[in-house]
Amino acid sequence: DVKVTQSSRYLVKRTGEKVFLECVQDMDHENMFWYRQDPGLGLRLIYFSYDVKMKEKGDIPEGYSVSREKKERFSLILESASTNQTSMYLCASSPGTVYNEQFFGPGTRLTVL
Amino acid sequence: TQLLEQSPQFLSIQEGENLTVYCNSSSVFSSLQWYRQEPGEGPVLLVTVVTGGEVKKLKRLTFQFGDARKDSSLHITAAQPGDTGLYLCAGDTDRGSTLGRLYFGRGTQLTVWP
Repeated sequence: DVKVTQSSRYLVKRTGEKVFLECVQDMDHENMFWYRQDPGLGLRLIYFSYDVKMKEKGDIPEGYSVSREKKERFSLILESASTNQTSMYLCASSPGTVYNEQFFGPGTRLTVL
Repeated sequence: TQLLEQSPQFLSIQEGENLTVYCNSSSVFSSLQWYRQEPGEGPVLLVTVVTGGEVKKLKRLTFQFGDARKDSSLHITAAQPGDTGLYLCAGDTDRGSTLGRLYFGRGTQLTVWP
């Protein structure tokens, strides 16, 4: 089974802190994604990556950056956390085959105080 | 702008009832997927439909892809409390693309009461 793990299930940070969210997949998938999920707004794509060191902006990249130095690891960085970044963050990977099914991690519930 | 519109947003029913969830768009998709998400967990893929008019069955769940590949439906027969969750549809507009981006609907929150 594909396993996507995220570094923390719950995280509490203060406004202005730099926050790192880590995601690791164990199935040699080409593509990795970061979403945030908020009630009523669904899943919104922040950034994605289709290869090592490659990244593409999603729909809401402002205030975030990403890093993919190794194929299995995709990091989301909040340079200076703000309260409006309080959310559930979901990481996903997909093998890059024709139908692009995505496999999700369990999520990180981030609270910024 | 939401590429995929799901309806209804919320659905609360009794055990044993049937239900249908809809996923509609004005865009054509090369494939469409349905996911279920339980509280505190990430979404899990249920099915992928790829051919216009295709029908797939997964036990009591029936998935249909519209003939024009712009819409899909999920029908649950004799719902059970274990079906409770957030159902998400997601479409892939890029046939054969290696970028792999999917467009998600906002989801239908289903609650099935015993």
